[in-house]
Amino acid sequence: GENVEQHPSTLSVQEGDSAVIKCTYSDSASNYFPWYKQELGKRPQLIIDIRSNVGEKKDQRIAVTLNKTAKHFSLHITETQPEDSAVYFCAASRGLGDMRFGAGTRLTVKP
Amino acid sequence: SAVISQKPSRDICQRGTSLTIQCQVDSQVTMMFWYRQQPGQSLTLIATANQGSEATYESGFVIDKFPISRPNLTFSTLTVSNMSPEDSSIYLCSVLPSSGNTIYFGEGSWLTVV
Repeated sequence: GENVEQHPSTLSVQEGDSAVIKCTYSDSASNYFPWYKQELGKRPQLIIDIRSNVGEKKDQRIAVTLNKTAKHFSLHITETQPEDSAVYFCAASRGLGDMRFGAGTRLTVKP
Repeated sequence: SAVISQKPSRDICQRGTSLTIQCQVDSQVTMMFWYRQQPGQSLTLIATANQGSEATYESGFVIDKFPISRPNLTFSTLTVSNMSPEDSSIYLCSVLPSSGNTIYFGEGSWLTVV
């Protein structure tokens, strides 16, 4: 089955700096890669996603890149703000909704 | 996105008892799933709730421990049976709307087993 690895497990940046979180997946049939943000005590919320026919997608301060050949994808957050502090999860799916999640990255943005 | 209601939102349960969690969606969805999130951990898929038939369980999860029902396209239940402290987790219902690939999560049910 699919195995998703995520790095780093914790990340601390200064406000205004960029943050990058990386994930790799094992199932070449995976074609959908969402990123979720989970604040303490709340449900995971989708922040951005990318499909396998696209190499990059951007939404304001966040962007995701996908390298299908290498089976890895990354989340980029620019101009980080304290409210970006949360746990971020990457996931991979064959498009049927059965997501496999990475272990999570705890991002701390210091004011 | 669909509005997903889960209950109970939180409960403290006695060891050896069972608890049923309900998930109600405000619109018909293609698929419903149940995830577990142990304290400080990632999300692990328990099973896919199939409408009108037995759920499809992931490796490490069995029907006797986590019976699931889905009588229609908008409702599902997950029972955590014969609970032990190791079952203390957040249990999350998620849905795949009819359009799109993205799943959305309910607010979760926080279970503490004592």
